[in-house]
Formats: sequence, C-alpha cells, structure tokens
Amino acid sequence: AQSVAQPEDQVNVAEGNPLTVKCTYSVSGNPYLFWYVQYPNRGLQFLLKYITGDNLVKGSYGFEAEFNKSQTSFHLKKPSALVSDSALYFCAVRDGPPNAGNNRKLIWGLGTSLAVNP
Amino acid sequence: GAGVSQSPSNKVTEKGKDVELRCDPISGHTALYWYRQSLGQGLEFLIYFQGNSAPDKSGLPSDRFSAERTGGSVSTLTIQRTQQEDSAVYLCASSPRGTKNIQYFGAGTRLSVL
Repeated sequence: AQSVAQPEDQVNVAEGNPLTVKCTYSVSGNPYLFWYVQYPNRGLQFLLKYITGDNLVKGSYGFEAEFNKSQTSFHLKKPSALVSDSALYFCAVRDGPPNAGNNRKLIWGLGTSLAVNP
Repeated sequence: GAGVSQSPSNKVTEKGKDVELRCDPISGHTALYWYRQSLGQGLEFLIYFQGNSAPDKSGLPSDRFSAERTGGSVSTLTIQRTQQEDSAVYLCASSPRGTKNIQYFGAGTRLSVL
C-alpha cells in the first residue's frame, strides 16, 4: 500500500540557518513525489515535484528536495531559512510507472509545521 | 487567470442541518479533488473526479457525504444531517491533464457545526 510519513510534527530553526523537513514514502513502483506549503489562513501551494531524472529538484522560494531511492526519502531543504518560510509543509506521493494507471489520487503526509525564529 | 474558487468561505450551521459547499475549478482542468482538514491535522482525501470516469469516493467518511460534478466543471459537496465532528476546513483542488498531479487549491470553506 502507498504511504507517506512526515516524522516531525514541528521543526524549529533560526533565521539564516539551513532547514530540513523530512519525508519518507512507500509505493510499489517508481514514485511521483511532491511538496506543498500552506501559509496561515491560505490554501495549499505547490512547491516542487520529483517525477524522474535528477535526484535534486529545485522549486519555488529557494526550496529544494532530494530524492533518495535507497532510503525512500524526499526531504525538503533550504540553505538559509526566512521568517516568512514559517508555514505548514505537506509531502505527497503517488505511484508512477509501471503502476501509475489512470488514478491520479495523491497520498498525503500529515504535515510538518515549520517555525523560523528571528 | 482565476484560480480555484470555493464558496462560501465560512459556513456556520446547526447540528442536523444540511450544507452545500461549492467548488469552481480552474477552467479546463479535468481532475477535481475534495479534501477535509481538521484543526491541526493533515489532509483527509474525500473524493476525486477525473474527466468522465466514475468518481473515486473511497474517502467519504459516511453516507451523509456526497459530491457531484456537473458538466465536468463546478462541483458541490453536500453534507446531510451535519454533526459537530464535521467541523473542519473543506479544501477543493483541480488539476489539468498531463501535469503529473500538480494540484491547484482553493482557499477552502471553513465549516462550523454548532
């Protein structure tokens, strides 16, 4: 069965420090992996995705994520955190080929609340 | 262009009443999703529409919940005989064909059942 785990409910970092938000997954085939961000009182926004190719994916707002097949992880990273990065971050996954099929439903993690302190 | 629009933005209702939540997806998007987000919780999948295919209703929590999508565009999520545990933010997302699942979310409807 497909699943996603975000092992940390909350991550606290100081502004200017690097940040990591962890995500591990389980799918039967090759994964499609996504990160979304939810700022306070707003809807979710797409940040970045991994479909195929380079394991290091760069996305919006200076974020990047590294796909690690052996560790089944897709951790979100940023070299220097900003206070404005404080938000709720969601990792999501679905099966890619050869098991992709036509169902595009994503499996979502429970979210990690990131607090960046000035 | 316009994003995903949800209405109302807030809804307060009494226990036992029926409510309808509306989602207007981005024009041309073939896939539409409904999620529920309770306070401090993650996203709970409810239902998924993909083109003319039968919807995936596997996430609907009870038979009090139903949704339809008319003409492949606007969708309505209906909750009958609301209960206090239905209080949550209901999020709608749409996705165009061929984007490998990038979903565009509305701002949500905050439902409060008194």
